[in-house]
Parts: sequence; C-alpha cells; structure tokens
Amino acid sequence: QITLKESGPTLVKPTQTLTLTCTFSGFSLSTGGVGVAWIRQPPGKALEWLALIFGDDDKRYSPSLKSSLTITKDTSRNQVVLTMTNVDPVDTATYYCAHSTKKGSCSGYACYYFDFWGQGTLVTVSS
Amino acid sequence: SYELTQPPSVSVSPGQTVSITCSGGKLGDKYVYWYQQKPGQSPVLVIFQDWRRPSGIPERFSGSNSGSTATLTISGTQPTDEADYFCQAWDSITVVFGGGTKLTVL
Repeated sequence: QITLKESGPTLVKPTQTLTLTCTFSGFSLSTGGVGVAWIRQPPGKALEWLALIFGDDDKRYSPSLKSSLTITKDTSRNQVVLTMTNVDPVDTATYYCAHSTKKGSCSGYACYYFDFWGQGTLVTVSS
Repeated sequence: SYELTQPPSVSVSPGQTVSITCSGGKLGDKYVYWYQQKPGQSPVLVIFQDWRRPSGIPERFSGSNSGSTATLTISGTQPTDEADYFCQAWDSITVVFGGGTKLTVL
C-alpha cells in the first residue's frame, strides 16, 4: 500500500525559504521507473507541477520556477524534500506530493503519471 | 510554453453521457492523463495513457486522444462524479496540467 504525507510550515513570510518534506511508504525510491513529484494548487485554482525526482536521481523542474526550486531525496528515510527560495504571497497554495510511475514497457518521460497523492498541506505566504 | 485548454465548466443530468475536452498543439502525439478532484480532497487518477483505467475506476470513465484534442467521457454519469477534472501531459521533459473543468451533475 503506497502512502505519502506532506509536512512543513503552514505560514511563511515573503522572501523566506520554504522547505517541505514528503514522507512515503509502500515503495522504494532507489530504483528506476519510480518518482516523487511536488504539485501545488492555489485556493480555487488549477494544479501546477513543480518538480519531480526519479529513483535514479534524475530531476525535472518547472521551467518557470526552476531557479527557485530544489528537490532532493533521502532514500534511507523514504523522504523527498522540496525547497523554494524567496517565496511570495502568490506561492500560497496547497502543496501535494505524488508517487509517479509508468505502465509496463512504456519508455520516456511521457509515460509517467501520478497514481498516488498525499493529502496536501496548505502553505500561506504572508507577512 | 505548452498549454492545455479545458472548458471551465460542464453540466450533465444524472444518467446521461458527458464529455470533457482538453486541447493542445499536437496533443494526439502525446499521452494524456486525467485526474478527478472532489472538494477538499486530493486528485485521483482516472485515466492514464489516453484511455487506460486504473484498477478501481468505474468502466463508465473512458478516454480518447487524437489530433489536438483529448476527451474524457463519462457514461451514465452519477451524482458522485461531480468534481473538478484536470488533464495532464508532458511537454518533452516537463509536466503540464490543464486549467481544470468543473463538472456539475444537475
């Protein structure tokens, strides 16, 4: 059974660095074919993909946020950490982490999807 | 940057069939994924690789993708299907989500 849970601060001040942790169980992030992504959703708005890290440590970032994001994994602790620097009130959102996998022999990034999601954590950026 | 366009809202009567579209340049050349999100809940994958259904997803959910439009179809819509639906695809090495469609079951 795959589960993921996000943790981190609920309130962050503008210009500060936001650090979020995804703690997961039911799979290992030390092998290929599996990844963990961070996806956020401002209140009442659409989903926005932020970053994805694969078991082979390949990392993908949203082009619009790449300069402010860092994603890392701690395989021994079954955790994935996302840091976002210089946050702004527009970064107020529910942040989700999600398990990413692909079906069968399909190859390439385009085959990966998000089949298990955490419950999300609401982060408010305000002074 | 690549964009996926969805209608903001769609409505359907219980028991009827409804289609939700997702449009993007040469979208038919990409795999499309669909997620259902009910109020206050996390998204749930309902279709992957254009038309495949994950285990546990009812057969009334189906998908197709051709040209520049992908379509999620719900047959025999149930009141429990009322939710927001998001399409997703990859633009080369980055993930893109559509703006979402609110499905109302009247």
